[in-house]
Amino acid sequence: GESVGLHLPTLSVQEGDNSIINCAYSNSASDYFIWYKQESGKGPQFIIDIRSNMDKRQGQRVTVLLNKTVKHLSLQIAATQPGDSAVYFCAENNQGGKLIFGQGTELSVKP
Amino acid sequence: EPEVTQTPSHQVTQMGQEVILRCVPISNHLYFYWYRQILGQKVEFLVSFYNNEISEKSEIFDDQFSVERPDGSNFTLKIRSTKLEDSAMYFCASSGQALPYNEQFFGPGTRLTVL
Repeated sequence: GESVGLHLPTLSVQEGDNSIINCAYSNSASDYFIWYKQESGKGPQFIIDIRSNMDKRQGQRVTVLLNKTVKHLSLQIAATQPGDSAVYFCAENNQGGKLIFGQGTELSVKP
Repeated sequence: EPEVTQTPSHQVTQMGQEVILRCVPISNHLYFYWYRQILGQKVEFLVSFYNNEISEKSEIFDDQFSVERPDGSNFTLKIRSTKLEDSAMYFCASSGQALPYNEQFFGPGTRLTVL
């Protein structure tokens, strides 16, 4: 069945280091992927997205990589800051309206 | 910057009672969604709504759930007879266009506690 999951439930990094958050998906028909950031007590906040016809997309301090061969998605955060501490979710869409979310990875940034 | 708003922020109710969760989507958006998140778990899709009707719903969205857009600005989720397992954060989202390729903007959520 459809599922999107994350490899690691928690990730702790030093301020200034780069962070890499991973995600595996199982539905090869999915054609659009999004990373969301969720801070405590708030709703998911869009970070970056990527379509299935791309393998890399860059934003401000963030990069998303898509490997369709192994159905893997990653979010790279450069120069991680304390304000990046949050739970990060990947989500997929396969030509429908709903988003299918992964389990979430909690990123903790140490000063 | 336009945003999705939700009220109340926290709702406490007794099992078996009806609750209505309210959302005001971004004003020029046409597609509306409800998701829920049980504590410590992932966000789960409930229902999508477009042109005054349900576009898609999940298995969670059974006969106890309903959605409505009673006027030009509000979008509501009603749970007719709440159960303990309905306790969760409920997020409303809206989009200017249908997926794929268009961002869904999420509200801050309503925390529903069923006692």
